Amino acid sequence: DAKTTQPPSMDCAEGRAANLPCNHSTISGNEYVYWYRQIHSQGPQYIIHGLKNNETNEMASLIITEDRKSSTLILPHATLRDTAVYYCIVRVGTGNTGKLIFGQGTTLQVKP
Amino acid sequence: KAGVTQTPRYLIKTRGQQVTLSCSPISGHRSVSWYQQTPGQGLQFLFEYFSETQRNKGNFPGRFSGRQFSNSRSEMNVSTLELGDSALYLCASSFGQGSYEQYFGPGTRLTVT
Repeated sequence: DAKTTQPPSMDCAEGRAANLPCNHSTISGNEYVYWYRQIHSQGPQYIIHGLKNNETNEMASLIITEDRKSSTLILPHATLRDTAVYYCIVRVGTGNTGKLIFGQGTTLQVKP
Repeated sequence: KAGVTQTPRYLIKTRGQQVTLSCSPISGHRSVSWYQQTPGQGLQFLFEYFSETQRNKGNFPGRFSGRQFSNSRSEMNVSTLELGDSALYLCASSFGQGSYEQYFGPGTRLTVT
């Protein structure tokens, strides 16, 4: 499975867009990029996933570069409730196992 | 639709005891995975169940076991508890086998003294 690299921490002003980067330079053609977040003391929450096209849902947008070696999760209007640890995970779309491998993630601090 | 529920939410046990944690997945979800979260090791995969069968197991000692029932509810058991087993135990459910779109419960906070 491809390894991901994320900055350990980021700040964002409330109401502004939060752009969280993830590098996955060894991603293979059939691997998807998944994003989860974990608000303090809660279980992780699925946000979005994509293969190569940009994806958008009610929570966020996912931009994947054309070479698929990196991606950016965008929270368009960050609120204080978006303060959390954000995990970027690369996995084959579906496989024999649903094992998620969590790295250290990026701690996003949204400030008033 | 109700989310994933885990019971109990908090638990205090003594070294050497055993513990059973319970997880009820989202209605219609047939796959349940368990994870352990500690400050030092982060989130680590324990095991995954689908259709009452363990499909995958993480790198944990045999003291950690689990099972899944015909209604997809799952339990995990830890025997001969050690201080290092103190952690947040998270359960996640998904619709099918091998899905990475998983929905997590709030977790059970286990403290071993």
